[in-house]
Amino acid sequence: AQSVTQLDSHVSVSEGTPVLLRCNYSSSYSPSLFWYVQHPNKGLQLLLKYTSAATLVKGINGFEAEFKKSETSFHLTKPSAHMSDAAEYFCVVTRTSGTYKYIFGTGTRLKVLA
Amino acid sequence: GAGVSQTPSNKVTEKGKYVELRCDPISGHTALYWYRQSLGQGPEFLIYFQGTGAADDSGLPNDRFFAVRPEGSVSTLKIQRTERGDSAVYLCASSPAGSDEQFFGPGTRLTVL
Repeated sequence: AQSVTQLDSHVSVSEGTPVLLRCNYSSSYSPSLFWYVQHPNKGLQLLLKYTSAATLVKGINGFEAEFKKSETSFHLTKPSAHMSDAAEYFCVVTRTSGTYKYIFGTGTRLKVLA
Repeated sequence: GAGVSQTPSNKVTEKGKYVELRCDPISGHTALYWYRQSLGQGPEFLIYFQGTGAADDSGLPNDRFFAVRPEGSVSTLKIQRTERGDSAVYLCASSPAGSDEQFFGPGTRLTVL
């Protein structure tokens, strides 16, 4: 069985300060992990994905995430928040083979203050 | 190229009615997924097609929900005897063969009055 826990439903940061969105996963299998972003009235967009090649994954728009197997975590970070980063972020786990159905976390709403 | 498209973008219906939601995947993508996103929640898996066949329908909540993909491209999600609890955004995603990366459409917002 697989599951994802996003530890914060809401995060507020000031523009120009670091962003940390936390995600813990549970998986009976070797997982693939993703972060997606959803802007209001827009579709889900892939930010980055981990598929065992490297534990530190760089994504679009300056985001990165580090896979830590010992902590079963895959936290998303960005050194400096921009107003355009305000959105809903979802952590996702899936298997690395077979049926790739996604298991989503409940989401973290990021608010960026001017 | 064109992304995943879904029609209609919004659907309002009355309790007890039948609705069909359509998904046009990215050309050449063999895998197609349906998810349901209720307000304030993450999307939840409904069904997965590999080609024309439903390879995993374990997420369908009950027998009022049914989906088809007769030619291995366009898919239709069908909901019979709609209930107010079916109100949600229905998302479709497609994926190339053997890939774990899914490309999502904008969703259909279903409101059951």
